[in-house]
Amino acid sequence: GAVVSQHPSWVICKSGTSVKIECRSLDFQATTMFWYRQFPKQSLMLMATSNEGSKATYEQGVEKDKFLINHASLTLSTLTVTSAHPEDSSFYICSASRLAGYTDTQYFGPGTRLTVL
Amino acid sequence: GQQVMQIPQYQHVQEGEDFTTYCNSSTTLSNIQWYKQRPGGHPVFLIQLVKSGEVKKQKRLTFQFGEAKKNSSLHITATQTTDVGTYFCALDRGSTLGRLYFGRGTQLTVWP
Repeated sequence: GAVVSQHPSWVICKSGTSVKIECRSLDFQATTMFWYRQFPKQSLMLMATSNEGSKATYEQGVEKDKFLINHASLTLSTLTVTSAHPEDSSFYICSASRLAGYTDTQYFGPGTRLTVL
Repeated sequence: GQQVMQIPQYQHVQEGEDFTTYCNSSTTLSNIQWYKQRPGGHPVFLIQLVKSGEVKKQKRLTFQFGEAKKNSSLHITATQTTDVGTYFCALDRGSTLGRLYFGRGTQLTVWP
């Protein structure tokens, strides 16, 4: 089946630093990828839609200057958490759409656990 | 925007018992998807329901979409310890396929 990878799987950083998370579709091309965050014991919250070759579309309440998204190629999207603070600590998950027949199926990456000290 | 209520939030069952989680919306849904997330893992797509009154089965899992397309359920028959995890329903927000709104999830614990 389709595979989406994320790197790193976990990261610990100091407050004020920036962290980059990569999301790759390994065996298919994804013109659109999505970034979610998930707090412990909570649901996934969509942050933004990453579009290859164009600007990302952010959901209401998500700071675009805080969470920079770059979709450099059909297989790679990156999320950079700028000037991270402890409240940014969360599980960040990307997903990619793959067209299979008449339906789009979402494939999720394994997630990146960010801890900001 | 569209939202969905998912209940119950937690469910503890003995192995072999059945389990059901429900998602309800106040508006008509174009489709609904179900995902499973194992502890420490990421969501895995289970199924998508599109048609009114649709019923789909995957081994011990039965998925239903209501006639009015406002509610959906996931039923597991004779649970096993491998069924442990959180089950989410998710709505497509439209405009772009794959923009999903997730329900709060039902965390299933299965006691051996």
